[in-house]
Amino acid sequence: KAGVTQTPRYLIKTRGQQVTLSCSPISGHRSVSWYQQTPGQGLQFLFEYFSETQRNKGNFPGRFSGRQFSNSRSEMNVSTLELGDSALYLCASTEDGNYGYTFGSGTRLTVV
Amino acid sequence: GENVEQHPSTLSVQEGDSAVIKCTYSDSASNYFPWYKQELGKGPQLIIDIRSNVGEKKDQRIAVTLNKTAKHFSLHITETQPEDSAVYFCAARGAWDTNAGKSTFGDGTTLTVKP
Repeated sequence: KAGVTQTPRYLIKTRGQQVTLSCSPISGHRSVSWYQQTPGQGLQFLFEYFSETQRNKGNFPGRFSGRQFSNSRSEMNVSTLELGDSALYLCASTEDGNYGYTFGSGTRLTVV
Repeated sequence: GENVEQHPSTLSVQEGDSAVIKCTYSDSASNYFPWYKQELGKGPQLIIDIRSNVGEKKDQRIAVTLNKTAKHFSLHITETQPEDSAVYFCAARGAWDTNAGKSTFGDGTTLTVKP
């Protein structure tokens, strides 16, 4: 059974640019959650999508957005990048948003 | 919202010894408590979990205990091995109706097992 796939693994962007990250969940999982991981703030919840609808959202500015497609694949977008957006972005899937996550390996974003 | 505190931040043990990591949570409505292990360059991996109607759960060398009254839960690893070296995160999931797909994580514990 394939795991959660995140692409790309690494990204370097310049301040002010925008970026799109992709996540393919485990087959049959309809819920995808996104987290930002930094040394100073730990794992912070961004948002969760289930059946193409955002059900929950964390305390991040509107520059962070996401969507989910009918095949449950999800993307997150960060516009007007800031240096502080440098982080590991993790997506995680579950069947229905309950119980334990299966995480991807993450996308390491560096903003210069 | 939910707040999860995790201690200690670093833990070093000798191979074969036991390791204990403790977490406290603030939301009494939380009802699901998973533990994750994160190795370098990888995403966190679920290693054990416990639901609020259970006091203890064991899986080979790993066990988790939950005290709902005190709002704390702990991870116990016995007979530690060098491959147990990693960062461990506890998490808490709040009430189902307002926390769909969301967990609050502790800050992590870096466990080092010395051969």
